[in-house]
Amino acid sequence: GAGVSQSPSNKVTEKGKDVELRCDPISGHTALYWYRQSLGQGLEFLIYFQGNSAPDKSGLPSDRFSAERTGGSVSTLTIQRTQQEDSAVYLCASSFQASGGNEQFFGPGTRLTVL
Amino acid sequence: GQNIDQPTEMTATEGAIVQINCTYQTSGFNGLFWYQQHAGEAPTFLSYNVLDGLEEKGRFSSFLSRSKGYSYLLLKELQMKDSASYLCAVREGNDYKLSFGAGTTVTVRA
Repeated sequence: GAGVSQSPSNKVTEKGKDVELRCDPISGHTALYWYRQSLGQGLEFLIYFQGNSAPDKSGLPSDRFSAERTGGSVSTLTIQRTQQEDSAVYLCASSFQASGGNEQFFGPGTRLTVL
Repeated sequence: GQNIDQPTEMTATEGAIVQINCTYQTSGFNGLFWYQQHAGEAPTFLSYNVLDGLEEKGRFSSFLSRSKGYSYLLLKELQMKDSASYLCAVREGNDYKLSFGAGTTVTVRA
């Protein structure tokens, strides 16, 4: 049924705190992606999961960022010791397969504000 | 990575036609996507082109020229609800992730 869901929808935190963002992909989708969208910027790829393969972490901006996907379904993006430049909308997407024209379905995003 | 360029803003009148251009530079092009994103909402898929030519889907059409590194999204019979940001995204080689342009904000006026 439902589309990609993300929680929380909004998160305000203080600089230096850790945050966890959650993504529930569409059931049956094997590929899961995290993107970041800063004001006036295009979507920036962060990390990708495909089935049981090792994730592609090439887009993570620093070692303060990490993500995991448990049981091939739910994913959590963790940002440690948040900085003000981490403020952005974090979007999760999933697709049936990672190749070809398979469209990525996006969640509503989590708006993170670091004070 | 890719260099993806699209205009920042466009304004058009209800009922009119608007064409949003997207140019890209990539070493191994393998598909171009257009997404629509209303303010505060998730991007939603509009079209996919991997071969040259025009793909028509209702009021929306997308064109691709691989030799020119160029695509456009054509919105016909504009409606107020078409006011949104339109994102051009490119897939390269066997890569699965998409590289997005900064988006074009289209404002439809009555």
